Amino acid sequence: SQQGEEDPQALSIQEGENATMNCSYKTSINNLQWYRQNSGRGLVHLILIRSNEREKHSGRLRVTLDTSKKSSSLLITASRAADTASYFCATDLQGAQKLVFGQGTRLTINP
Amino acid sequence: DAGVIQSPRHEVTEMGQEVTLRCKPISGHNSLFWYRQTMMRGLELLIYFNNNVPIDDSGMPEDRFSAKMPNASFSTLKIQPSEPRDSAVYFCASNVGYSYNEQFFGPGTRLTVL
Repeated sequence: SQQGEEDPQALSIQEGENATMNCSYKTSINNLQWYRQNSGRGLVHLILIRSNEREKHSGRLRVTLDTSKKSSSLLITASRAADTASYFCATDLQGAQKLVFGQGTRLTINP
Repeated sequence: DAGVIQSPRHEVTEMGQEVTLRCKPISGHNSLFWYRQTMMRGLELLIYFNNNVPIDDSGMPEDRFSAKMPNASFSTLKIQPSEPRDSAVYFCASNVGYSYNEQFFGPGTRLTVL
């Protein structure tokens, strides 16, 4: 099964509301990253949180990491139509030297 | 910087034909990754190179797939012979330092094998 699994698989909210997506993983990690993918495009890196960090902010993005629960959340505040995209978490497997991506959350922001 | 460049952007071919996908990483990046994305399997790492040397090719599906990186600015992913189940979007990504650092993705090549 996936190292990183996002929840929910799909999320639809109204513009201006906050969107929260969750990611769970199975093994110890060095860091966890979140990426965005607009339809028909490549992935774009949003934010990286290291295993010794608990929370990180970047603009309207807030990421938390709970290594005891092996989970992370991505919060997008004051959502905009342009935030409509798929969001992926990616974790590294310690010792494996590579990133493993989850299946993603498809976020739709309704105007 | 132009970012990661991939060509072609779209490829339609018939079963049994050879397909070659190309990638130019960001200048100065020393790691290059090939991924495949499908609805069923999500985003899968096929192979990655560090300093032009293949480090992990455990994700390469079978012998029909091969990848090369003859120099720091160019890589190819070849499928020979191609099959309909190879239809997917193939992404190239590059980065600096550890393979699990931030990765920069190209726009992808959408491959359709008829």
